[in-house]
Amino acid sequence: EPEVTQTPSHQVTQMGQEVILRCVPISNHLYFYWYRQILGQKVEFLVSFYNNEISEKSEIFDDQFSVERPDGSNFTLKIRSTKLEDSAMYFCASSEANQETQYFGPGTRLLVL
Amino acid sequence: GENVEQHPSTLSVQEGDSAVIKCTYSDSASNYFPWYKQELGKRPQLIIDIRSNVGEKKDQRIAVTLNKTAKHFSLHITETQPEDSAVYFCAASIGSNYQLIWGAGTKLIIKP
Repeated sequence: EPEVTQTPSHQVTQMGQEVILRCVPISNHLYFYWYRQILGQKVEFLVSFYNNEISEKSEIFDDQFSVERPDGSNFTLKIRSTKLEDSAMYFCASSEANQETQYFGPGTRLLVL
Repeated sequence: GENVEQHPSTLSVQEGDSAVIKCTYSDSASNYFPWYKQELGKRPQLIIDIRSNVGEKKDQRIAVTLNKTAKHFSLHITETQPEDSAVYFCAASIGSNYQLIWGAGTKLIIKP
């Protein structure tokens, strides 16, 4: 069964550095999402992406964040200048069509020191 | 905006007993309500979902009920087993692309 994959599984970075988190959605899916989960807390929506553009974004997704689908398979989340409070598990998700089930990747655990 | 409240935060039940987790939502426009199970350090896995045109849905030992008028939905797990131990999250969809707003999670502990 196809799955969403994410790399790296863990990333440690210094405050102020840029990080790029990578996701490969399920191949026939058209809708892509990023969520984050701070340790011990709920999952929070960051951004949704469809047809090569952002559809919706939350208040968390400020100017430090950007997303890109650089080719036909990858979907990336970039944090331009990381802050301590960006430390979290970041999940990518994809769905085949609107209103359909979202399938989650295994997550990237980001630690900002 | 949408807010999802989930209760209880922790639920401990004896193996074989039933477990019920409840969620309420605030945005009456929400019409898709999934439940995810998350084991420690792993990705959330969809276990069941329900859409607003249905009041109840069942899949073996798992069922979900939805009351749109009261804006609440519940997860029912019967004949609980040790492998049911995990954190369970409810969510409600908002927006044109069905982004999910999540509850705070319920840690379900199955006592042998």
